Amino acid sequence: DTGVSQDPRHKITKRGQNVTFRCDPISEHNRLYWYRQTLGQGPEFLTYFQNEAQLEKSRLLSDRFSAERPKGSFSTLEIQRTEQGDSAMYLCASSVGLAGGPPNTGELFFGEGSRLTVL
Amino acid sequence: LAKTTQPISMDSYEGQEVNITCSHNNIATNDYITWYQQFPSQGPRFIIQGYKTKVTNEVASLFIPADRKSSTLSLPRVSLSDTAVYYCLVGDRNTGKLIFGQGTTLQVKP
Repeated sequence: DTGVSQDPRHKITKRGQNVTFRCDPISEHNRLYWYRQTLGQGPEFLTYFQNEAQLEKSRLLSDRFSAERPKGSFSTLEIQRTEQGDSAMYLCASSVGLAGGPPNTGELFFGEGSRLTVL
Repeated sequence: LAKTTQPISMDSYEGQEVNITCSHNNIATNDYITWYQQFPSQGPRFIIQGYKTKVTNEVASLFIPADRKSSTLSLPRVSLSDTAVYYCLVGDRNTGKLIFGQGTTLQVKP
């Protein structure tokens, strides 16, 4: 399968614990995006990378959230000291983009998401 | 920040044409408008993208007026399998962030 893969698909944790999600984009895609989606809502933008550079970061991404894409390939999203309000589906997407070009110039390929439940 | 407005839900019958409109302001002037489809427990899936006027592909058409303050996704002859949530996606004029609409739940009935 050459699509976007996310791991784990489901994570249940206790409040206060740290969790990390991993996203492996389509190999030739240089852009990678993280979104958060709660039930009945549209995906909310968290951050995006062009290669290894983090170009935009939402204010939703508080100091407890951090994302990395160290070699411009896979990415990790870490949530520290989880709270019940962090329970959501965390979606990763990748696309091909031109350096310096607008972020929305092509198809975003989404993974199946990582569902987080904080007890 | 860019703001989008879509109808929350729509009902249709098999074989009908469905038009879903998204209103959007403060969108990036050089950015595309994109529509996605999402089924339960899956990530969104690309349907169509356009900048201005009309774009058509094998599954849908997209109409964008000159002022780009709205876009209309047109699904010809829907089937039961088109029952899903449909989102418009735009770029914010000031930040470039990609903003999804709240989504329109389309229910296709036999």
